Amino acid sequence: TQLLEQSPQFLSIQEGENLTVYCNSSSVFSSLQWYRQEPGEGPVLLVTVVTGGEVKKLKRLTFQFGDARKDSSLHITAAQTGDTGLYLCARNDMRFGAGTRLTVKP
Amino acid sequence: NAGVTQTPKFQVLKTGQSMTLQCAQDMNHNSMYWYRQDPGMGLRLIYYSASEGTTDKGEVPNGYNVSRLNKREFSLRLESAAPSQTSVYFCASSGRMRVLGNQPQHFGDGTRLSIL
Repeated sequence: TQLLEQSPQFLSIQEGENLTVYCNSSSVFSSLQWYRQEPGEGPVLLVTVVTGGEVKKLKRLTFQFGDARKDSSLHITAAQTGDTGLYLCARNDMRFGAGTRLTVKP
Repeated sequence: NAGVTQTPKFQVLKTGQSMTLQCAQDMNHNSMYWYRQDPGMGLRLIYYSASEGTTDKGEVPNGYNVSRLNKREFSLRLESAAPSQTSVYFCASSGRMRVLGNQPQHFGDGTRLSIL
């Protein structure tokens, strides 16, 4: 049973498009981390969100933590080929979702 | 900057063989972790060490043992490898954790292990 559900599982878009990926849980958690992983490498931390309703921006990436602290989203504006990778969310107890595999085509 | 270094990068074992995966970090981090990553499963925590001299079980510890050799090094041992342990293994480190997950983790590039 996956405690963190990520959707969609796969996403393929053209460069310049916008996208949103989701991370949902049936239980409340105190914080959530988002990572990006490229093939052959380990995950790299993008952001940690802690407060319900919190919004953090990292250049073209916008992260939101749900008011009820049971879900989070990652929105990418004007995607670039360099955004290609596996996006993982992880709860405060280091339980990971299965990830969204994003492919941005030129 | 090396960060977190894992050795070996690839390994093939036969069922029943034993092996130790090595991990070293040069960031003076107190806490270290071992994960496995399987298709469709995300990363699952095997063991962690909050500080030198302590180790604790994670989500999937069965079939594994760990040793926190010193502050820099944290090894993972498979005593009798099984095909179900075929996976990519990641080591990570972080600043001192007060509770699990309250510190950002820095990952190595993984060890790809196949057990025949």
